[in-house]
Amino acid sequence: DTEVTQTPKHLVMGMTNKKSLKCEQHMGHRAMYWYKQKAKKPPELMFVYSYEKLSINESVPSRFSPECPNSSLLNLHLHALQPEDSALYLCASSQDVWGAGGEKLFFGSGTQLSVL
Amino acid sequence: AQTVTQSQPEMSVQEAETVTLSCTYDTSESDYYLFWYKQPPSRQMILVIRQEAYKQQNATENRFSVNFQKAAKSFSLKISDSQLGDAAMYFCAYRSAWGGGSNYKLTFGKGTLLTVNP
Repeated sequence: DTEVTQTPKHLVMGMTNKKSLKCEQHMGHRAMYWYKQKAKKPPELMFVYSYEKLSINESVPSRFSPECPNSSLLNLHLHALQPEDSALYLCASSQDVWGAGGEKLFFGSGTQLSVL
Repeated sequence: AQTVTQSQPEMSVQEAETVTLSCTYDTSESDYYLFWYKQPPSRQMILVIRQEAYKQQNATENRFSVNFQKAAKSFSLKISDSQLGDAAMYFCAYRSAWGGGSNYKLTFGKGTLLTVNP
């Protein structure tokens, strides 16, 4: 199984809502990532988890709150978002962050988020 | 900081023909990885091909091959026998081979949108 599964595929939320994005992988990878991608732009890194601990936060606003309940799951909790946060949110995983295999990322299909 | 440049925002190719997508990069490192990712309308980023900088041999994956010119810092992707399913946005990306600091990051180019005409 080389899949990274993201749910939901689409999400529409108001600025006062709280919602969560979910990502799951069963490849035994110990590094998981959240990326944000605007239309026709490359992905931008948001967070990196290594062995279920937050390793890197790319100065993301606190209205985005990541969580890694276990080595297979990654969540992104959303609260009080702004319309400019509308984007495709991609999850990815790799064997490790810095070790061998860490350079090969497997991506999910993303959640298309619209903030009204 | 490393940069990746894709100078062709859009390309088109006839089905069954060959197309080459360009990518140049700038780095002071000697060991690194280069990638081509494909993002079709399904939005999933799919790894097409990966090149390790210390390997002189160009990577190939079926119809996809690269021309890696380390001295020129060039990494082009050749797609042979193009198929309708190859239509996608293609991103070139760079990652350091050494850990620590900000070396975990994938640096992406801006992408090339490839259209395949029947």
